[in-house]
Amino acid sequence: EVQLVESGGGLVQPGGSLRLSCAASGFTFSSYEMNWVRQAPGKGLEWVSYISDSGYTIYYADSVKGRFTISRDNAKNSLYLQMNSLRAEDTAVYYCARQYCIITSCSEGGMDVWGQGTTVTVSS
Amino acid sequence: IQLTQSPSSLSASVGDRVTITCRASQGISSYLAWYQQKPGKAPKLLIHAASTLRSGVPSRFSGSGSGTDFTLTISSLQPEDFATYYCQQLSSYPTFTFGPGTKLHIK
Repeated sequence: EVQLVESGGGLVQPGGSLRLSCAASGFTFSSYEMNWVRQAPGKGLEWVSYISDSGYTIYYADSVKGRFTISRDNAKNSLYLQMNSLRAEDTAVYYCARQYCIITSCSEGGMDVWGQGTTVTVSS
Repeated sequence: IQLTQSPSSLSASVGDRVTITCRASQGISSYLAWYQQKPGKAPKLLIHAASTLRSGVPSRFSGSGSGTDFTLTISSLQPEDFATYYCQQLSSYPTFTFGPGTKLHIK
């Protein structure tokens, strides 16, 4: 079964740090680009970060640039999000999501596999 | 690239035909996906490339549009379709934007 399982969420004080993990199974993780997407309580979806299959190409949303770092370990079938200088507005459920690409284009795809999410709460 | 969705909320009955609109702030060709999200669950990809139905998604769902205006149509609402729907633009891949969502309520 194709599956993504996030972990590492919790309660952290403003200015603190947290590292999220996403364990992949049931597919060849090293062949897929991956994303982190978050959802604040009662709000919509916000794309956070992207990493290529090799890990060499990385992008961030402006809201987290300079504070969050995405990485992956293909040998461990794992995706990570290191979150530093956390703010109250980073409070959200964080999902890892697999990028689905058709043969000719990733722009014609979407995010086809999602984890169940892990909750991050930034509060004093 | 910004996305708007209308309506933000919609009440409908089982069997109704409903249409949700997504508008992009600039042309995005057909680089649009639609997701369904139920409370407490992760989003589910329904449609990609504006009109291509994901395998396993019921045929009552359909998508259309290109450029700046897109629609998601559910031809005959079923009880399990009451959820929140999001559009996503992939024109700026590998950065992405989601629409604000449309919550579909039971009337």
